Amino acid sequence: EVQLVESGGGLVQPGGSLTLSCRASGFAFNSHWMNWVRQTPGKGLEWVANIKPDGSDKYYVDSVKGRFTISRDNAKNSQSLQMSSLRAEDTAVYYCLAGGGYWGQGTLVTVSS
Amino acid sequence: QAVVTQEPSLTVSPGGTVTLTCGSSTGDVTSGHYPYWFQQKPGQAPKTLFYDTTNKHSWTPARFSASLLGGKAALTLSGAQPEDEAEYYCLLVYSGVVVFGGGTTLTVL
Repeated sequence: EVQLVESGGGLVQPGGSLTLSCRASGFAFNSHWMNWVRQTPGKGLEWVANIKPDGSDKYYVDSVKGRFTISRDNAKNSQSLQMSSLRAEDTAVYYCLAGGGYWGQGTLVTVSS
Repeated sequence: QAVVTQEPSLTVSPGGTVTLTCGSSTGDVTSGHYPYWFQQKPGQAPKTLFYDTTNKHSWTPARFSASLLGGKAALTLSGAQPEDEAEYYCLLVYSGVVVFGGGTTLTVL
């Protein structure tokens, strides 16, 4: 059974940092692109970043470039999203999405003083 | 950045057929955009119905189908059920960069 489990969400002050993790199981992790997607309550889905299976290419939505860094560890079947200089508008549920369409359940990030 | 467009809302009668579309501001949608279709119900994580244009998952009901139609990606629901009432999102890939559509609220009424 395919499972994606996110962790690391929580409350952080504006300007602060947070690292999200996603642990995968049940599929060939090292063969799939991995994505982070976020959703503000009541709003649509927004793609945040992705990383190639071998980690050699990474892409970001313009609003997080220079602030967020995506990475992966194929030996541990996991990916991470390092978030810094967080803003109120980064508040959302963050989902892990694997190529092929496997989703985690999401982790809530709240940026507030 | 490209803009991906979906119908904001659609209504279908129980047992009826409806087609949702996913267009691109850059031109025709092709298989090279690797279209995905997702269903999301309130309070739940999204669920993938189709990936890479027409590939379906084991959990995708047979009444759903996906295709490329008239320069857009299309999701067709034939024989709508009350449980199909949900938000539907598409996704397109532009040389690695991913863009979601704004979503279609499907009402079964």
